[in-house]
Amino acid sequence: EAQVTQNPRYLITVTGKKLTVTCSQNMNHEYMSWYRQDPGLGLRQIYYSMNVEVTDKGDVPEGYKVSRKEKRNFPLILESPSPNQTSLYFCASSSYLGTFTGELFFGEGSRLTVL
Amino acid sequence: RKEVEQDPGPFNVPEGATVAFNCTYSNSASQSFFWYRQDCRKEPKLLMSVYSSGNEDGRFTAQLNRASQYISLLIRDSKLSDSATYLCVVNEVPNAGNMLTFGGGTRLMVKP
Repeated sequence: EAQVTQNPRYLITVTGKKLTVTCSQNMNHEYMSWYRQDPGLGLRQIYYSMNVEVTDKGDVPEGYKVSRKEKRNFPLILESPSPNQTSLYFCASSSYLGTFTGELFFGEGSRLTVL
Repeated sequence: RKEVEQDPGPFNVPEGATVAFNCTYSNSASQSFFWYRQDCRKEPKLLMSVYSSGNEDGRFTAQLNRASQYISLLIRDSKLSDSATYLCVVNEVPNAGNMLTFGGGTRLMVKP
């Protein structure tokens, strides 16, 4: 089954404790991206990757890091989480061969709470 | 100013009603447009693309007005299962990684 898998789905942590949210897709997609969703602000892009070893900042990259060492994986790293990073996070992927069809495939989301 | 704006709603409608949502975008160079659906506590999923000539998919009709920079989604004969948040999505920068801008979503609640 084609899917994007995120882990953990739910996490409560404390300020300053490094954490990683993993994302894996089995569709051989070139493009992967991380979003956060907050009430009233919609989905905002954190980082994206056009292919292996190619990453770039989105609209709200502060406080986050990513890596793309393999095509299927795109982990999101919070080196020192703060309460303002409490949010619902989505990983998404898409086949992107120079033409974007509009279909992003999203993971089920990771709800993060930073105390 | 938000780049893609939607009325957050909620729109409360009875079953069988026709309901329409609008979405405005600020970048006149935007290339392509989409509607996504997001159920409560779930991930967004593509509902339909929006073509310049307008397009229909069953009970759903999407239209684009480039001159006024808005897109619309019309749902006919609403079902309880249509209750969800509908996200307007604009591809503002083609062939770039930050390609999609999401609106804040319009919440629809269909009542029996």
